[in-house]
Amino acid sequence: EVQLVESGGGLVQPGGSLRLSCAASGFTFPRFWMTWVRQAPGKGLEWVANIKQDGSAEYYVDSVKGRFTISRDNAKASMYLQMTSLRVDDTAVYYCARSKVTGNSDFGYWGQGTLVTVSS
Amino acid sequence: QSALTQPASVSGSPGQSITIFCTGTSSDVGNYDLVSWYQQHPGKAPKLIIYEVNKRPSGVSDHFSGSKSGNTASLTISGLQPEDEADYYCCSFADSDTFVFGTGAKVTVL
Repeated sequence: EVQLVESGGGLVQPGGSLRLSCAASGFTFPRFWMTWVRQAPGKGLEWVANIKQDGSAEYYVDSVKGRFTISRDNAKASMYLQMTSLRVDDTAVYYCARSKVTGNSDFGYWGQGTLVTVSS
Repeated sequence: QSALTQPASVSGSPGQSITIFCTGTSSDVGNYDLVSWYQQHPGKAPKLIIYEVNKRPSGVSDHFSGSKSGNTASLTISGLQPEDEADYYCCSFADSDTFVFGTGAKVTVL
């Protein structure tokens, strides 16, 4: 069974940093694109970033470029999101997601999410 | 990277069919057959119900179907059931190897 478990969320002040983790199990982690999607309270889904199977390519939504960095450790079956210069509008539940198949086409499996609150 | 446009709300009676439209541009929906749809119940993670425009993952009811024409994708729910009441989001692969979600549509079963 595919399992994705996020951790690392919490309360941080504007301008601060936080590192999210996503622990994967139940599948061959190095074979799949991995993605972060966020959802602000009461709002819709927003794609944040994704990373290729071997970590050789990563893509970001414009609003986080230069502030967030996605990475993965295939040996540990884990993905990360390093967030810096956090802003109030980064407040959201952050979901880890995996593509349904090995291509970069959709988000077939999701974690339960971890809440990041940016507030003074 | 503007969000795809969906109606804020769609409603129907049990047994009826409803269609949710998702309008993008030639940089996303119109250029790639990589449109997916997600169902989200309150407090839960989203669930993939349609991928690659019109394919259903195993275990997803066949009363969900998807299609696309030009820059607009659509999700049809046939034979609306009470458990279909949820938020629905479209998503498309886009230029520069990014993804963009729709604004979301709340489906209400009357």
